[in-house]
Amino acid sequence: DSGVTQTPKHLITATGQRVTLRCSPRSGDLSVYWYQQSLDQGLQFLIQYYNGEERAKGNILERFSAQQFPDLHSELNLSSLELGDSALYFCASSVGESGGAFFGQGTRLTVV
Amino acid sequence: QQQVKQSPQSLIVQKGGISIINCAYENTAFDYFPWYQQFPGKGPALLIAIRPDVSEKKEGRFTISFNKSAKQFSLHIMDSQPGDSATYFCAARGGMDTGRRALTFGSGTRLQVQP
Repeated sequence: DSGVTQTPKHLITATGQRVTLRCSPRSGDLSVYWYQQSLDQGLQFLIQYYNGEERAKGNILERFSAQQFPDLHSELNLSSLELGDSALYFCASSVGESGGAFFGQGTRLTVV
Repeated sequence: QQQVKQSPQSLIVQKGGISIINCAYENTAFDYFPWYQQFPGKGPALLIAIRPDVSEKKEGRFTISFNKSAKQFSLHIMDSQPGDSATYFCAARGGMDTGRRALTFGSGTRLQVQP
């Protein structure tokens, strides 16, 4: 158990809908990262927050957004969902911005 | 500049053998190189990591070899066991002054250790 908690574990929704994925980082970790994992794209970095502030953006679509709250948990919002958004979404956390990042178990999103 | 290239895509090794997975990078600003192990349905788990001022790091049966001049690093799994069968990802993290502290991942290697 990495100490990073993601909910829900599975999510099935229809095209055009909006969903919110939640991540609770390890205790004391200030950095949160979101990654998307699909079969043909590997692990793609979406966005990073550090202590409530957006730190870096990767290949995140305009339809996606995220935030980190004062208690350091983070949410990833996916809207106007398309079939191609079906993937595993992982959250990872680290104490600062160096060293290892620890991943949660992921949320499997299926868009039908 | 941010890409990390990983090979092979898949690997079959006999129990007790040595598994070797290779990665190469272009961006010299990377300063931290971890390897992750992922089992089906699970999140990637940090296995072992190295910084570029060290040429080798060993933890149990897992060893990272790092060649800074060639911009390559590899994972060696000694005495491979069926329980090691998983997908392995190399990754690299940018330095503090790059603004790129997120990990950039290789494409993954599916390892199968045959009993």
